[in-house]
Amino acid sequence: DVKVTQSSRYLVKRTGEKVFLECVQDMDHENMFWYRQDPGLGLRLIYFSYDVKMKEKGDIPEGYSVSREKKERFSLILESASTNQTSMYLCASSIRLEQFFGPGTRLTVL
Amino acid sequence: KNEVEQSPQNLTAQEGEFITINCSYSVGISALHWLQQHPGGGIVSLFMLSSGKKKHGRLIATINIQEKHSSLHITASHPRDSAVYICAVARGSNYKLTFGKGTLLTVNP
Repeated sequence: DVKVTQSSRYLVKRTGEKVFLECVQDMDHENMFWYRQDPGLGLRLIYFSYDVKMKEKGDIPEGYSVSREKKERFSLILESASTNQTSMYLCASSIRLEQFFGPGTRLTVL
Repeated sequence: KNEVEQSPQNLTAQEGEFITINCSYSVGISALHWLQQHPGGGIVSLFMLSSGKKKHGRLIATINIQEKHSSLHITASHPRDSAVYICAVARGSNYKLTFGKGTLLTVNP
């Protein structure tokens, strides 16, 4: 079975802190994604990576950056966390068109 | 207008009822996904389809490409089916998905 893991299930940070969310997949997938999920808005794509060191902005990249130094790991970075980044963050990896999701990290920024 | 529209937004059913959730989209697609998310849980892929119909246990997914419409059916619903069901579409060979806002299903015993 494909496994996508995320570093934390719950995270509480303060405004202005730098936040790292990590995602690891164990199936050698080339494509990896970071989404945020908010009530009434559904899932929105933040960033997408199609290979090591390759990335592409999604629909809402502002305030975020990403890093993919190894194929299995895709990190989402909040350079200076703000309260409007309080959300559920979901990572996914894909082979062809099917995506496999991690359990999510619920981030609260105070 | 969203590219992917789901209806209804909320659905409450009694155990044993037949359930239908609808998804309409406005763009050409290469595949459509139905996903399930339990409260507090991660997202699980139920189906990926580009034509016709697929069945897995009590779940059936259909798609009509000409009408740009898909339905997810649950037969003999059970309280454990209570979850958010999300429709998502893939365009061309682009691996990015566009998501509907989800349908919250509650099945009461």
